[in-house]
Amino acid sequence: RKEVEQDPGPFNVPEGATVAFNCTYSNSASQSFFWYRQDCRKEPKLLMSVYSSGNEDGRFTAQLNRASQYISLLIRDSKLSDSATYLCARDRGSTLGRLYFGRGTQLTVWP
Amino acid sequence: EAQVTQNPRYLITVTGKKLTVTCSQNMNHEYMSWYRQDPGLGLRQIYYSMNVEVTDKGDVPEGYKVSRKEKRNFPLILESPSPNQTSLYFCASSLSPSGADTQYFGPGTRLTVL
Repeated sequence: RKEVEQDPGPFNVPEGATVAFNCTYSNSASQSFFWYRQDCRKEPKLLMSVYSSGNEDGRFTAQLNRASQYISLLIRDSKLSDSATYLCARDRGSTLGRLYFGRGTQLTVWP
Repeated sequence: EAQVTQNPRYLITVTGKKLTVTCSQNMNHEYMSWYRQDPGLGLRQIYYSMNVEVTDKGDVPEGYKVSRKEKRNFPLILESPSPNQTSLYFCASSLSPSGADTQYFGPGTRLTVL
């Protein structure tokens, strides 16, 4: 059983579209969840942290559903510059220091 | 500039030749970690450290060693590299000792073991 599961995509959407990614997890004790963005061959960079039910930052909205054990990322009004791989991550609950990352979802926004 | 640096960025070596990949952060972070990233497998944690002289295994520690003698440095040592250690390696640091905080990643080290 994978600890964090993501649909690898690829998602190909036109500029201006709204796109959503889901990430399911298996440990209900996890407290901290994250979305990272990774450009090709570059390091991951934090996009959003999700500590409670969710949060919003401009065109990006992250939500946490503890009952169904998933987090989601919604991107509105997609830009060409949003093309990247999006990684979700979670802590390991009671085991401090260890993080699980999903395999990433690839997004391509076309003009 | 706040950053995590790794060296070397690219390395091609041969089986069995010991190597060290350095990692340094200038943010006074407590937590540091090493990951490897392989196609189809995503980021997997190798080792992590929540404080000086405190290190622990991640998911894939076999074939690797680490040390944390100073807060800013967390080198990754491959005593006898093998071809299955060919990968893209990332070092990361985080302010919180638990690591459950924003992780700042280094630029990555692309290692090829022949």
